[in-house]
Amino acid sequence: GAGVSQSPRYKVAKRGQDVALRCDPISGHVSLFWYQQALGQGPEFLTYFQNEAQLDKSGLPSDRFFAERPEGSVSTLKIQRTQQEDSAVYLCASRPDGDKNIQYFGAGTRLSVL
Amino acid sequence: AQTVTQSQPEMSVQEAETVTLSCTYDTSESDYYLFWYKQPPSRQMILVIRQEAYKQQNATENRFSVNFQKAAKSFSLKISDSQLGDAAMYFCAYNPKTSGSRLTFGEGTQLTVNP
Repeated sequence: GAGVSQSPRYKVAKRGQDVALRCDPISGHVSLFWYQQALGQGPEFLTYFQNEAQLDKSGLPSDRFFAERPEGSVSTLKIQRTQQEDSAVYLCASRPDGDKNIQYFGAGTRLSVL
Repeated sequence: AQTVTQSQPEMSVQEAETVTLSCTYDTSESDYYLFWYKQPPSRQMILVIRQEAYKQQNATENRFSVNFQKAAKSFSLKISDSQLGDAAMYFCAYNPKTSGSRLTFGEGTQLTVNP
C-alpha cells in the first residue's frame, strides 16, 4: 500500500502569506503527528491527532500555527502570516493502533519564507 | 523532560567496514522505546531499528545492531559491512510507552561512506 504522502513537496512563500500543508496518512492509521525540522537539526514535535481529535498541540510555536484533521484521515497544517523563522521542513507521520509505537514518515514539505 | 544527545555530528567509514554511532538519552520513565531512523537527502525518514527498554536483548536487523545499556542510558547503533547506500543522516529517537506520545529526536549524525 501507499506510504504517508505530503504535498506540496516544496513551498515558497512571501513573508506575511498564509500557507497550508497537506498530509495523507497510511490508510487506517489512527494516530497522526506533525514535526518541524530546521536545517541541520532533528525533527521537533508540533502536534498529535488520534482520529479527528487533536490530543496534544503543545509543540505549536505560536498561535499562527493551526492543524486540523476533520474526518480522521487527511490532515492540514496551516501557518498564518508566515515569518522567516518558519522556514523548515514539515514532516508528517502516522502510526497504527498496536504496541509497536512505530511512526511512518512522509517525505516532508520544505517551506521557504522569503 | 526527555532529551536525546548525539555527540558525533559527522562520521565516516570505508565501504565494507564497521561503524558505531553514539546516542545517550535522559528520562525518568522505566519503560519506553528507542529508535534509529535514517534520513537520506530525499528527506524520507526511514526506520532502521527499534528497541524496547524492558527487553535486555539487543535488537538486530541484518547489518544493523544496537548496544543498549539501560543503566547508562546509552543506545548506540553498529553498522556492519557498510555500503554506499548507508550514507545518510541518522537520528536517534526516544518514545515513552504512553499512548500518543511524541518522538524526541537527537541532533543527528551525518554518515559518509567512502568507496
